[in-house]
Amino acid sequence: GENVEQHPSTLSVQEGDSAVIKCTYSDSASNYFPWYKQELGKGPQLIIDIRSNVGEKKDQRIAVTLNKTAKHFSLHITETQPEDSAVYFCAAFRGNYQLIWGAGTKLIIKP
Amino acid sequence: DGGITQSPKYLFRKEGQNVTLSCEQNLNHDAMYWYRQDPGQGLRLIYYSQIVNDFQKGDIAEGYSVSREKKESFPLTVTSAQKNPTAFYLCASSISPNTEAFFGQGTRLTVV
Repeated sequence: GENVEQHPSTLSVQEGDSAVIKCTYSDSASNYFPWYKQELGKGPQLIIDIRSNVGEKKDQRIAVTLNKTAKHFSLHITETQPEDSAVYFCAAFRGNYQLIWGAGTKLIIKP
Repeated sequence: DGGITQSPKYLFRKEGQNVTLSCEQNLNHDAMYWYRQDPGQGLRLIYYSQIVNDFQKGDIAEGYSVSREKKESFPLTVTSAQKNPTAFYLCASSISPNTEAFFGQGTRLTVV
């Protein structure tokens, strides 16, 4: 079955710097890769997603890249701000109505 | 306002008791999901429903039960058979599984 590994588990960056979180997946048939942000005590919220027919997608300070050959995808946040502090989850859709989730990355923005 | 509502936010129950978590959505989504979240882990799927009166087990369905009698509602019962029920439970809905999922605020269940 599909397995998603996410790294690092914790990432601390200086405000204004960039942050990169990486995920790898095992099932080459996976075709949808969302990224969610979860703030303390709340449910996750979609911040960006990418489908397997696209290599990169951007939305203001956030971008996602997908390398299908290597089976990994990454979240890039530029010009980080204090409100970016949260836990970020990647996921991969393997079909049969199931998203498989990474273990999460706690992003800390230092002032 | 459109959205997905979970209640209660916090729930305390004694060991051996069944407890039901509520999930309601007014987004007109066909698909609904229940996830369990434990510290340091990703979300694990308990049950999902693609349509009214139909639901399927996820990876960790043992000790849980659900119903889907209305499109808007997908309650989860944590039974006494669940060995370690203390966790944060999240309900979600979406148009389809490979589109944006909208999550509720979660229910933190503590069994004492």
